[in-house]
Order: sequence, then C-alpha cells, then structure tokens
Amino acid sequence: DTEVTQTPKHLVMGMTNKKSLKCEQHMGHRAMYWYKQKAKKPPELMFVYSYEKLSINESVPSRFSPECPNSSLLNLHLHALQPEDSALYLCASSHRASPPGELFFGEGSRLTVL
Amino acid sequence: ELKVEQNPLFLSMQEGKNYTIYCNYSTTSDRLYWYRQDPGKSLESLFVLLSNGAVKQEGRLMASLDTKARLSTLHITAAVHDLSATYFCAVANYGGSQGNLIFGKGTKLSVKP
Repeated sequence: DTEVTQTPKHLVMGMTNKKSLKCEQHMGHRAMYWYKQKAKKPPELMFVYSYEKLSINESVPSRFSPECPNSSLLNLHLHALQPEDSALYLCASSHRASPPGELFFGEGSRLTVL
Repeated sequence: ELKVEQNPLFLSMQEGKNYTIYCNYSTTSDRLYWYRQDPGKSLESLFVLLSNGAVKQEGRLMASLDTKARLSTLHITAAVHDLSATYFCAVANYGGSQGNLIFGKGTKLSVKP
C-alpha cells in the first residue's frame, strides 16, 4: 500500500477546463514533488516544495499551478491545457529536499487532454 | 550538469539467466536510488545506496554503488518472469537551489520462459 495518495486516478479534460490533481501524505515528510511522465520516458521533475515553500520550478508553463496548503497536501491546478500535456502525473514525497533523498511515489493521476 | 546513463535500455532475458544493468553518472554524487515501474503503474523504491561500496540485496536483485567510478550496477540472478518491468536509477543532484534526483532513461526488462 502506498502512503502517498493521489486523486483522481484518471482525469479527462477539455482544453478550456479547469481541474485539479490532489496529493496527500502522512509520513511527516517535509518535501513534496510533482513529476510528469510520458510513455516510455523517465519522470520529469516539475515542482518541488520544501517546508511548504516552492523551491524548484523546472520552467513549467503557467497553465500548471502548484499549491501546498500544508505539509501533508499538494495540489496541481490545471487550466487551458494542451493535448501534449496528456501524461501520468506523479506526486512524491521525501523526508526533506536537501540532501536529495529517497522519493516515495503515489500511484499517479493519468491525465488525458482532449 | 549531472547526466545519468543507463544501459542497456532494453533487455530480453530467459528465465534462470543472470544479467547486470549499469547506471553511469557524470558528476560527483554519493546517493543513488533504484526504482521499479510496472506498465501503467507508479514507481516503487527498490534500493537506497548512500555511500561508496554500498551493496544491497533483495531476493534475486542486488545493487551496488562505486562513487569513485560513478557507477552503480543492478544484478539480476536467475531471472523469473515476475521481474519483468522497467528499472530506473536516480542520482542525487546537489546543484541548484535545492537538490533533486536525476533519473536515467530506464531499462525495460522482459523475462521470457
């Protein structure tokens, strides 16, 4: 059983929709991450939150907007996405962001943009 | 800039055979992680290697780290079908404002009877 929970598991949205992906962990970790993974590719880092502050934004388009309401929750707000944004979005957590530690991944949210 | 190379990228093995997956990286790092991913699923942590000479074993898999050679290996002993998956190594990157992990491209392992 994963200790990082992501919802929804599947999401289909149109290019004009606004939706959110949610992630929750109760391991007391202080770093949380969003990764994007396309088929047959490694995960690509999008955002890192460390102690609830955004510490890394890997030049992600503004149509992706992260939010960390508290140390256990991480959201990814989606707006005006493109079909090429269709991918598996993985949330992960670790004890802390520095030094880079073992990541614990959620099951992912599979996003399809029509 | 830290670069991570895995090889081979594809590996087709027969059950019962042994093989090794290699993970090379370009700049100094002392932390390396191995993950497994089944098709359509998330990443599962396999091994955490935190120092030079670290060796970890779990079942038919054994991972090692040589920080001087900037090389980690994942050795598969007497492969079984259940080991079919994609295996990623990820290396700790100490650059930037906060560290993160740099993933290799992954090795897709297929074990055939």
